[in-house]
Amino acid sequence: QVHLVQSGAEVRKPGASVKLSCKASGYTFTGWFIHWVRQVPGQGLEWMGWYNPKEGATKYAQKFQDRVTMTSDASGDTAYMDLRGLRSDDTAVYYCARGKFGWSGLYDYWGQGTLVTVSS
Amino acid sequence: DVQMTQSPSTLSASVGDRVTITCRASQSISAWLAWYQLKPGKAPKLLIYEASRLNSGVPSRFSGSGSGSEFTLTIGSLQPDDVATYYCQEYRTYFFGQGTKLEIK
Repeated sequence: QVHLVQSGAEVRKPGASVKLSCKASGYTFTGWFIHWVRQVPGQGLEWMGWYNPKEGATKYAQKFQDRVTMTSDASGDTAYMDLRGLRSDDTAVYYCARGKFGWSGLYDYWGQGTLVTVSS
Repeated sequence: DVQMTQSPSTLSASVGDRVTITCRASQSISAWLAWYQLKPGKAPKLLIYEASRLNSGVPSRFSGSGSGSEFTLTIGSLQPDDVATYYCQEYRTYFFGQGTKLEIK
């Protein structure tokens, strides 16, 4: 059974960085892209980018291009999303999701989400 | 960029009601349309893709229809477990609608 388990809630000050994890199980990690999507309170869902674990390739939304990095670990079952230069409007629930068809934004499994709070 | 507009923003209905949520795209998106269900603290769930294909394990009371620029998600008989926020998405370009919050009367 496919599961994506995300790391716990984080609190950061403006200007800081945060690195979130997403541990995959129940499938071959390198066979599917991992996407990151966030939900700002009171707003909708926003795609941030994808990571291809097989090749280490990435594509980021233009809005986050300069301050996001998506990676995975050597053991090959955990994806990471590093967001730098945090601002108060980065307060959101961040989700990882498995791409059902590669790079396309169709997600068949999601993590439970990680709340990141940015506050001075 | 394609704009996805959902209506209504909030919806209150009784158990057993037939419920319809509409999603309009600012341009034709063929059938590249998905519907997701989000509940607080839980992993979101893919309900429908290719506008009308029911994802594995999703109850048959959920159905999707439409093509081009107008789409609908229908819940045939509303159940208490269906309380959630529903999002449509054009999944080639990653854009989501703003969501529809569904409540029980």
